[in-house]
Amino acid sequence: DVKVTQSSRYLVKRTGEKVFLECVQDMDHENMFWYRQDPGLGLRLIYFSYDVKMKEKGDIPEGYSVSREKKERFSLILESASTNQTSMYLCASSFAGFGYTFGSGTRLTVV
Amino acid sequence: GQQLNQSPQSMFIQEGEDVSMNCTSSSIFNTWLWYKQDPGEGPVLLIALYKAGELTSNGRLTAQFGITRKDSFLNISASIPSDVGIYFCAGLGSSNTGKLIFGQGTTLQVKP
Repeated sequence: DVKVTQSSRYLVKRTGEKVFLECVQDMDHENMFWYRQDPGLGLRLIYFSYDVKMKEKGDIPEGYSVSREKKERFSLILESASTNQTSMYLCASSFAGFGYTFGSGTRLTVV
Repeated sequence: GQQLNQSPQSMFIQEGEDVSMNCTSSSIFNTWLWYKQDPGEGPVLLIALYKAGELTSNGRLTAQFGITRKDSFLNISASIPSDVGIYFCAGLGSSNTGKLIFGQGTTLQVKP
């Protein structure tokens, strides 16, 4: 089975900190995605990547950046964390044309 | 961004009851998927549908890919307490980015 591993289940960071969320997949998937999930708002796409060093903005990229230096790793960066970025962050990967495999999520709290 | 219309938003049912939820879209999709998210976890794929009209079962779950390719439904028979969670539909179009379009989710609560 494909495994998507997110480095932290829970994180607490201070306002203004630079935050790194790491995601690693072990099945050579081309595509990787970062979503945030908030009550009543469903899953909102932040950024995605369909190849190494390639990235595309999703629906809510403001305040975030990403890095994909290796095929198996896709990092989400909060340049200067703010309280409105408190959320559940979900990473996913896939082969084109197939469904995603999600990680277990990182619950980030910014205080 | 584009989203699917998923209904109902939430359901509170008695254990043993059957459950039905559906998704509709103004766009055609080539693949429909149904995911379940347990509390505090990431979504897990339940059923994938690849052909219009396809009806697929996975245990007590049954899902169908609508003939028009613009809708899908998921049924759960004889619900049990561990069915609790959020159910998401997702559609995959013809673009080569592999990006899924998600419904807003149906929150299911089951009373023992």
